Amino acid sequence: EAQVTQNPRYLITVTGKKLTVTCSQNMNHEYMSWYRQDPGLGLRQIYYSMNVEVTDKGDVPEGYKVSRKEKRNFPLILESPSPNQTSLYFCASSSGLAGGPRSWTQYFGPGTRLLVL
Amino acid sequence: KQEVTQIPAALSVPEGENLVLNCSFTDSAIYNLQWFRQDPGKGLTSLLLIQSSQREQTSGRLNASLDKSSGRSTLYIAASQPGDSATYLCAAAPLSSGSARQLTFGSGTQLTVLP
Repeated sequence: EAQVTQNPRYLITVTGKKLTVTCSQNMNHEYMSWYRQDPGLGLRQIYYSMNVEVTDKGDVPEGYKVSRKEKRNFPLILESPSPNQTSLYFCASSSGLAGGPRSWTQYFGPGTRLLVL
Repeated sequence: KQEVTQIPAALSVPEGENLVLNCSFTDSAIYNLQWFRQDPGKGLTSLLLIQSSQREQTSGRLNASLDKSSGRSTLYIAASQPGDSATYLCAAAPLSSGSARQLTFGSGTQLTVLP
């Protein structure tokens, strides 16, 4: 089954304790992206990756890091989490850059709910 | 910078009604406009994608329209059912982003269809 998986689904942590949220897709997609969703603000993009070893900042990258060493994985790293990073996080992927409009459809993971105390 | 607005934030309708969800965007220079559905505890599911050159797209009971000149899109749901209850988000991919995959999302409309 084609899917995007995220782990963990729920996480409670304390300020300053480094954490990683994993994202994996099994559709051989080139494009992957991380969003955060906060009430009243919609989804805002944190980082995205056009392909392996190619990453770029989205709208709200401060306090986050990413890496793309393999096509299927795109982990989100919070090196020193703070309470303002408490949010619902989504990973998404879509297929090749050379594709037409059909390739623009994005597939989302189930979300990771993070609470930073 | 592209801004996407969805009004109302919440909507309740009785089962069987036809309804329209609204989405407005400030920059008409877009690659595409997309509609998603979000269910509690789950990720977003893509419903419809309208390319910049298109006026509408249809899938089953759903019809989405795009009017770039007015900066508006609507999602029409025919004969609503309780299973349609979810949050509906629209997202625009501005040309200024350089990619048809770079989306700016609205805050969504939470739809409740009452049995």
